[in-house]
Amino acid sequence: GAGVSQTPSNKVTEKGKYVELRCDPISGHTALYWYRQSLGQGPEFLIYFQGTGAADDSGLPNDRFFAVRPEGSVSTLKIQRTERGDSAVYLCASSLNEASGYNEQFFGPGTRLTVL
Amino acid sequence: DQQVKQNSPSLSVQEGRISILNCDYTNSMFDYFLWYKKYPAEGPTFLISISSIKDKNEDGRFTVFLNKSAKHLSLHIVPSQPGDSAVYFCAASANFYGGATNKLIFGTGTLLAVQP
Repeated sequence: GAGVSQTPSNKVTEKGKYVELRCDPISGHTALYWYRQSLGQGPEFLIYFQGTGAADDSGLPNDRFFAVRPEGSVSTLKIQRTERGDSAVYLCASSLNEASGYNEQFFGPGTRLTVL
Repeated sequence: DQQVKQNSPSLSVQEGRISILNCDYTNSMFDYFLWYKKYPAEGPTFLISISSIKDKNEDGRFTVFLNKSAKHLSLHIVPSQPGDSAVYFCAASANFYGGATNKLIFGTGTLLAVQP
């Protein structure tokens, strides 16, 4: 079946603008994660959804970042008043999140955000 | 504060030889460890994992070793193949047995180049 998809693949914006990044998880996966990967770094956790609710948003860097998952499937990461430091690849992952044990996270290809 | 560290940014190995990638961690609450492989312009793909109750896990050419007392794990690839050339990320998760968020903490990655 289809994997995790993310749109757009690339986004160039100007400092101060608002952007939305979309993630379509694997069908049936209840857990959804957003990560951010800056140049030369590993992915950094931003937020985790279990169903429609944000179960852990401890990784969001500040209140300019917000994410939603209104129907428990597609998620949108929203960044207000973008800054040059927000430039990174934003990765989305999903997993089955069964009751016990670890559930493998499947990653999408990412959205490369460039803030000029 | 880098909780998961990969101190070798790159590694070059001849085809057919063994590749050894290393990873150190500082957080004693980590109880599940994973290796992801990443090609350019793609998301990370899961390779192999190990829980803290084990010290070795093997899957074909890939073996992960965990030394809890040293807070160290390694990935062995043998024999190495040119198609293994990619960036390898070590990742760790806490609360595997508690069923928490399973968010992953990644290292900075090691670029493996397997020379034909």
